[in-house]
Amino acid sequence: KQEVTQIPAALSVPEGENLVLNCSFTDSAIYNLQWFRQDPGKGLTSLLLIQSSQREQTSGRLNASLDKSSGRSTLYIAASQPGDSATYLCAVGSVNNAGNMLTFGGGTRLMVKP
Amino acid sequence: EAGVAQSPRYKIIEKRQSVAFWCNPISGHATLYWYQQILGQGPKLLIQFQNNGVVDDSQLPKDRFSAERLKGVDSTLKIQPAKLEDSAVYLCASRPAGYTGELFFGEGSRLTVL
Repeated sequence: KQEVTQIPAALSVPEGENLVLNCSFTDSAIYNLQWFRQDPGKGLTSLLLIQSSQREQTSGRLNASLDKSSGRSTLYIAASQPGDSATYLCAVGSVNNAGNMLTFGGGTRLMVKP
Repeated sequence: EAGVAQSPRYKIIEKRQSVAFWCNPISGHATLYWYQQILGQGPKLLIQFQNNGVVDDSQLPKDRFSAERLKGVDSTLKIQPAKLEDSAVYLCASRPAGYTGELFFGEGSRLTVL
């Protein structure tokens, strides 16, 4: 059974800092990994999708890397801003007996202070 | 392109009552998911549909939860009778057919059981 862990659970940083959020998974037989952002009371907004054959994806100030063999992904946020304050979730796509499934981590709650 | 639509956004009921949530996925998306997100946790998969067939419902509490996706488009999730621990946000997500597609979420339906 796939298990996904995100560390740290919460993070508070001053504006302008570069930061790294971590996601680890137990079963390396994945087909993709997706990072999401969730604002309070809102749904999930997709940030980056990394296919299993890729090592990283970039979008603006965000960079996500994937190391399948070690079961790890990181989300790097450059020059953080107060508007980046949200919960960040990673979801791992893997195959089970029933087909494909997406397993989420518990999320990292980020607060960027002005 | 219209996103994933969900209703109602908020629902408050008393325990042992019933409730139903509706989801309209993005047009053409064959795969539809229902997730349960308890406050402070990552989403947990309840059921996955491929067109109008169930792919995975292993984590659906079938004694009280039911879901259907008639005609392979809209889906409804029903809880009857509700328990206090069912208080959560119910998220619907969809994506194109295939394992590697990006997942898109609706805004969610927040349920409070008193």
